[in-house]
Amino acid sequence: KQEVTQIPAALSVPEGENLVLNCSFTDSAIYNLQWFRQDPGKGLTSLLLIQSSQREQTSGRLNASLDKSSGRSTLYIAASQPGDSATYLCAPPRRDYKLSFGAGTTVTVRA
Amino acid sequence: DVKVTQSSRYLVKRTGEKVFLECVQDMDHENMFWYRQDPGLGLRLIYFSYDVKMKEKGDIPEGYSVSREKKERFSLILESASTNQTSMYLCASRETTGGAGEQYFGPGTRLTVT
Repeated sequence: KQEVTQIPAALSVPEGENLVLNCSFTDSAIYNLQWFRQDPGKGLTSLLLIQSSQREQTSGRLNASLDKSSGRSTLYIAASQPGDSATYLCAPPRRDYKLSFGAGTTVTVRA
Repeated sequence: DVKVTQSSRYLVKRTGEKVFLECVQDMDHENMFWYRQDPGLGLRLIYFSYDVKMKEKGDIPEGYSVSREKKERFSLILESASTNQTSMYLCASRETTGGAGEQYFGPGTRLTVT
């Protein structure tokens, strides 16, 4: 079973600050890990997919790292904006290839 | 861009009704999923389909069934809706690349059973 923990559960920062969202998982025999964003009452939007052969993946102001050996992934958001306010979910796969989801980190960026 | 659409954003049904939730994807993905999302419980997998007419129970299949007659469409059926099935339902699709493909979600259906 893949247990996923996301810390912190919630984060409130002023606009312009960099964000660091942490994800840890128990089964490190994974081949990729996906980060999602969810706005209130909406579906999930895929942000980044990191393959196990990579250590980092970047998209614009977002950067995600993956350390399989320690069972950790970190999502960095540079120069945060109010539009970044959302819940961010980490999803490593289980051995049956289905995704396991963390409870998420809810981010509020204050203008 | 991958697009996953769901037939309704909001739905209100009565206890005992048969409910159909439809999901369509436009990227020829083989894998499709149905989840429900509840506060404090997170996302839980209800059913999974790895190809047309192929399905597999997820973690919480009780009270649900599914249908996949065409590759692009995956339906979730609540045989007799109950109040404890009030939830947000999310559909997703994924290209099969040894299970390593990116997963894409639809906008969700907020179902209320009264």
